[in-house]
Amino acid sequence: AQSVTQPDIHITVSEGASLELRCNYSYGATPYLFWYVQSPGQGLQLLLKYFSGDTLVQGIKGFEAEFKRSQSSFNLRKPSVHWSDAAEYFCAVGARTGDMRFGAGTRLTVKP
Amino acid sequence: DVKVTQSSRYLVKRTGEKVFLECVQDMDHENMFWYRQDPGLGLRLIYFSYDVKMKEKGDIPEGYSVSREKKERFSLILESASTNQTSMYLCASSLGNQETQYFGPGTRLLVL
Repeated sequence: AQSVTQPDIHITVSEGASLELRCNYSYGATPYLFWYVQSPGQGLQLLLKYFSGDTLVQGIKGFEAEFKRSQSSFNLRKPSVHWSDAAEYFCAVGARTGDMRFGAGTRLTVKP
Repeated sequence: DVKVTQSSRYLVKRTGEKVFLECVQDMDHENMFWYRQDPGLGLRLIYFSYDVKMKEKGDIPEGYSVSREKKERFSLILESASTNQTSMYLCASSLGNQETQYFGPGTRLLVL
């Protein structure tokens, strides 16, 4: 089955600083990749997704992610972090069979 | 907007009880999913269903069963609840394979 690794359990950045969250996946075919965000006490919300085409994907809230097949990576970036971005972020890979696998998540703390 | 609802936000049960968690989606989605979310482990797939009366095991099906008698409803059943099933349970639905999943708010289950 497909799998996802998010190497960073917890990241702290200052407000206004740039952000990169790492995601590596394992899947034998062309991956369908997703980033979700979970704010405290909230459900998961889709930030962006990659199916095919342009490897740089734009999402909501100013986030973007870049698919790099050679590195099996799908890292999430934001040029300037806001305090409201503090949340947990999950990378996921979807299979043709319909199931999806999520990473363990990266918790983002934003310092004032 | 897609709406996925879960029958309870919080639930407290005793060891050995039979527990039913209900999930309903209102967008005529084909696929539905049950995950459990634990700190440091991310979301782990318990079961998913790609059609009425169809189900597939995920990564951690032991101790759980599911039922999908109607397209819009997907139930998770804990036949005999145990303390190690204390967790946050998330339901999701998607239009089809490798499509965006939409999540419910979650049910936080405590088994005493």
